[in-house]
Amino acid sequence: SQQGEEDPQALSIQEGENATMNCSYKTSINNLQWYRQNSGRGLVHLILIRSNEREKHSGRLRVTLDTSKKSSSLLITASRAADTASYFCAMTTDSWGKLQFGAGTQVVVTP
Amino acid sequence: DTAVSQTPKYLVTQMGNDKSIKCEQNLGHDTMYWYKQDSKKFLKIMFSYNNKELIINETVPNRFSPKSPDKAHLNLHINSLELGDSAVYFCASTRSGEDTIYFGEGSWLTVV
Repeated sequence: SQQGEEDPQALSIQEGENATMNCSYKTSINNLQWYRQNSGRGLVHLILIRSNEREKHSGRLRVTLDTSKKSSSLLITASRAADTASYFCAMTTDSWGKLQFGAGTQVVVTP
Repeated sequence: DTAVSQTPKYLVTQMGNDKSIKCEQNLGHDTMYWYKQDSKKFLKIMFSYNNKELIINETVPNRFSPKSPDKAHLNLHINSLELGDSAVYFCASTRSGEDTIYFGEGSWLTVV
């Protein structure tokens, strides 16, 4: 069964607006990572947050993690058209780094 | 300076054929993976190798056989291809003890 679920499935915003997407998972995790996938391309690692961390920032990205609620959020501030992509959360629960992915949020940023 | 490279990027083949996808990483990693992304964009791990040893083998048909000739390479061979094998196959790698996993650009397999 799928470990992660993402919400919303799709998000359409205008340039300059913020985009927020959420990820919920089922079991305890070691860490949670967010990836971006542009159409027809591979997965690009964006940011990683460990289970003992609550918030991390990287450029225009802000990630939160609430292990009590088994949820994480990714915020993209001041979005750009180039941010148009699918965003996936992925959890690791073992020492071998096996990633269990959410279903992804498709973000469209219009100029 | 490609980190994780896969070939071919696109592959169209007929049912029943046997095909291989190759993966190489030049990051000095010791752990490599194959993931499958279906038409709904759902990603699921198939296999993982650490130092050429199989460590993860999810419920994948026996028609799929990974081979790791060395730490930098992990190939995927698929026998008797079926329509349902049509998907994007991603190779990935990491170093033991590190958390970030790096993905290749994907191999788009279409079985007709």
